[in-house]
Amino acid sequence: DAGVTQSPTHLIKTRGQQVTLRCSPKSGHDTVSWYQQALGQGPQFIFQYYEEEERQRGNFPDRFSGHQFPNYSSELNVNALLLGDSALYLCASSFLASGGQYFGPGTRLTVT
Amino acid sequence: QQQVKQSPQSLIVQKGGIPIINCAYENTAFDYFPWYQQFPGKGPALLIAIRPDVSEKKEGRFTISFNKSAKQFSLHIMDSQPGDSATYFCAAFNTGGFKTIFGAGTRLFVKA
Repeated sequence: DAGVTQSPTHLIKTRGQQVTLRCSPKSGHDTVSWYQQALGQGPQFIFQYYEEEERQRGNFPDRFSGHQFPNYSSELNVNALLLGDSALYLCASSFLASGGQYFGPGTRLTVT
Repeated sequence: QQQVKQSPQSLIVQKGGIPIINCAYENTAFDYFPWYQQFPGKGPALLIAIRPDVSEKKEGRFTISFNKSAKQFSLHIMDSQPGDSATYFCAAFNTGGFKTIFGAGTRLFVKA
């Protein structure tokens, strides 16, 4: 049973560019949440997708957007990248938005 | 009110010791309290979780103690091993709010 997978593993972008990160949830899970984790910090909630709609959003600007596909996989898009967007981006999946989330390995984004 | 405060920031114990990590929350709407273990370069892994109607839960060497009236909960690791060296995050989840709030993390080092 495959767990949560994310791609790519690492990414280097230039300030002002746009990036798309991808996530496939654990088998049987229908809800995907995205988190940003700065070095030495706890994960910060970006948003959650369920039934292809954004259901809840954290304190992140509109430059952060997402999408969920019919197969429950999800994308995180970040526009107009800033140096401060450099972080580990984590995807977590769960069933029916329960609290027991399973995290992927993350995508390390570096903005130069 | 959405914060989860975690302490200590770091902890060093001898092999076989019992490290204790504490967390406190304010929002009484939280109804699920998971703990995550994260190794460098990896995503957080769900370790153990508790609901407010239970005062203690054990899974293997990991025990959560929960004090609903004080709005505090803690993680105890029995017979700690060097392989337990990792960062531990407490978290709080509100089923109605859908998002998980994480503490800042505790870096644990278990000396051999």
